[in-house]
Amino acid sequence: EDQVTQSPEALRLQEGESSSLNCSYTVSGLRGLFWYRQDPGKGPEFLFTLYSAGEEKEKERLKATLTKKESFLHITAPKPEDSATYLCAGRMDSSYKLIFGSGTRLLVRP
Amino acid sequence: DVKVTQSSRYLVKRTGEKVFLECVQDMDHENMFWYRQDPGLGLRLIYFSYDVKMKEKGDIPEGYSVSREKKERFSLILESASTNQTSMYLCASSLSRDAPYNEQFFGPGTRLTVL
Repeated sequence: EDQVTQSPEALRLQEGESSSLNCSYTVSGLRGLFWYRQDPGKGPEFLFTLYSAGEEKEKERLKATLTKKESFLHITAPKPEDSATYLCAGRMDSSYKLIFGSGTRLLVRP
Repeated sequence: DVKVTQSSRYLVKRTGEKVFLECVQDMDHENMFWYRQDPGLGLRLIYFSYDVKMKEKGDIPEGYSVSREKKERFSLILESASTNQTSMYLCASSLSRDAPYNEQFFGPGTRLTVL
């Protein structure tokens, strides 16, 4: 069964304390791994698409990487405004649909 | 930038009412999606559409229907609202099935409460 699993469910960091979020997937013929940020009460905001193993994408303090089995979202020197839920999703080959993980709730304390 | 808008941010309805949730995207995307999001259950796909007047069931279509009469607009209909349909409803759009990068872009969401 195609599945996307995120860990940890929740993560508390001090401002400036770097860490990584994990997204492991078992998706047939993965055709894109997507990362989103979601603030409370709002829709998910697109961050990155990763297409093939070894690919990396960066945006400010965030860097996403992809292997054949998992993706990581690295957060370097986070700030309180990085607090949000981070979702990853995989797209199967020849499918319209995305399979979403349950998300990681990140809290960055000043 | 892609913009997806939803007709209401908050909506309160009574059990048995017919409810319409509207979604509009301005980037000429072929695909549009309706999800609901509940604590502990994540995002679940209700219906999607890959073309005007075309629709396909997602993972949880029961109790819902959809309409896509124009490319930019995708409506979700609750024929007879029930309390278990209280949820956050999210609309999304993506370019096309064959696009190499087919990111979905989401609207702000509608928080629906059914009393």
